[in-house]
Amino acid sequence: DTAVSQTPKYLVTQMGNDKSIKCEQNLGHDTMYWYKQDSKKFLKIMFSYNNKELIINETVPNRFSPKSPDKAHLNLHINSLELGDSAVYFCASSPPERGVTGELFFGEGSRLTVL
Amino acid sequence: GQSLEQPSEVTAVEGAIVQINCTYQTSGFYGLSWYQQHDGGAPTFLSYNALDGLEETGRFSSFLSRSDSYGYLLLQELQMKDSASYFCALKAAGNKLTFGGGTRVLVKP
Repeated sequence: DTAVSQTPKYLVTQMGNDKSIKCEQNLGHDTMYWYKQDSKKFLKIMFSYNNKELIINETVPNRFSPKSPDKAHLNLHINSLELGDSAVYFCASSPPERGVTGELFFGEGSRLTVL
Repeated sequence: GQSLEQPSEVTAVEGAIVQINCTYQTSGFYGLSWYQQHDGGAPTFLSYNALDGLEETGRFSSFLSRSDSYGYLLLQELQMKDSASYFCALKAAGNKLTFGGGTRVLVKP
């Protein structure tokens, strides 16, 4: 009965490769997010989708491309991976009313290591 | 833009009280949230303040003063399991949350 699930949990890859992280939520929420947490634990929003529509797109290299096939799924594809992309990527979701209270439901994270 | 400042680390003993301060700058204020994150885990929501005052949830309380652009999280009756990182986060339009750098709380026996 996992609420927000991400796969894979761990990803080790070489520079220059392309990789994807998948996220699914079974909470019936309308809004989903991708956050990046670096080695200093700084959490920064990357993207947000509301009902499959992109609503937040922070200053992120265009090597990062989110895709939301439906409101329960938000995937993240990364092209031409660089060393600086190494981080933990968190998917999160919120329903409209919980969005009002600043509550996000986070997945367990996907730790990406670029060698 | 938005920015938040919180202390990087706090150490306390079991049973003690810890206050984590958060000062912020923003052009439009909607609310201040607090999250807990254990090492290797996901951030989990603790509390939210949109109006001035104190919100109490069990051993944890959160306070907000909008005129001072300041809030704090109060952890009472500290337990070993409270060792974690705590983040304040500003809510903006479009459900966007901007997080502070986090405060690592270390609870000692």
